[in-house]
Amino acid sequence: DIQMTQSPSTLSASVGDRVTITCRASQSISGWLAWYQQKPGKAPKLLIYKASSLESGVPSRFSGSESGTEFTLTISSLQPDDFATYYCQQYDSFWTFGQGTKVEIK
Amino acid sequence: EVQVLESGGGLVQPGGSLRLSCVASGFTFDNYAMSWVRQAPGKGLEWVSTISASGISTFYADSVKGRFTISRDNSKNTQYLQMNSLRAEDTAVYYCAKGNTLGVVIAFDHWGQGTQVTVSS
Repeated sequence: DIQMTQSPSTLSASVGDRVTITCRASQSISGWLAWYQQKPGKAPKLLIYKASSLESGVPSRFSGSESGTEFTLTISSLQPDDFATYYCQQYDSFWTFGQGTKVEIK
Repeated sequence: EVQVLESGGGLVQPGGSLRLSCVASGFTFDNYAMSWVRQAPGKGLEWVSTISASGISTFYADSVKGRFTISRDNSKNTQYLQMNSLRAEDTAVYYCAKGNTLGVVIAFDHWGQGTQVTVSS
């Protein structure tokens, strides 16, 4: 089974900060990596698929990148609406989510 | 507008059964794989099961294999999750999710609001 290790588990930041979340796969997943945003009591929302493709309607301040088995979600300038929990997910071999990163107000 | 709407959750005793349904609209249902993802209280997301667009191929997490069965009725734009031999650790919000492309190499681009399943005596 492919394991996804996401870090950090919690991140404290301020509006306007550049934020980076990392996800590492236990083996090659050929770029089949998605990022989701989830707010309390709500369903997850797809932000990024295929490591770096921005889902339609998602603000351009969100971006994704990959380097081998390490993947990064970057929020270029954190907005008030961005305080949430973020999950990575591999979909190369079945589907596995990372543990989540909670982005909270500093 | 794409919509997926789950139903069928509730309180069930350990060892009991429950059938979840998910009705979809706003897209060509029989072109897309569908999935179930769950979230236990205060925990992260856990993939449960996926079914191909035709219904021929099904996939299960090890934690539910042999107990849960995914199916779909393309004439009704509906997918199902039959859950048997339920355990306390199956307690979670269950989300229905749509695949984002044709085939089964998919992320999940549309999600329902979730239905609560509670397994307790």
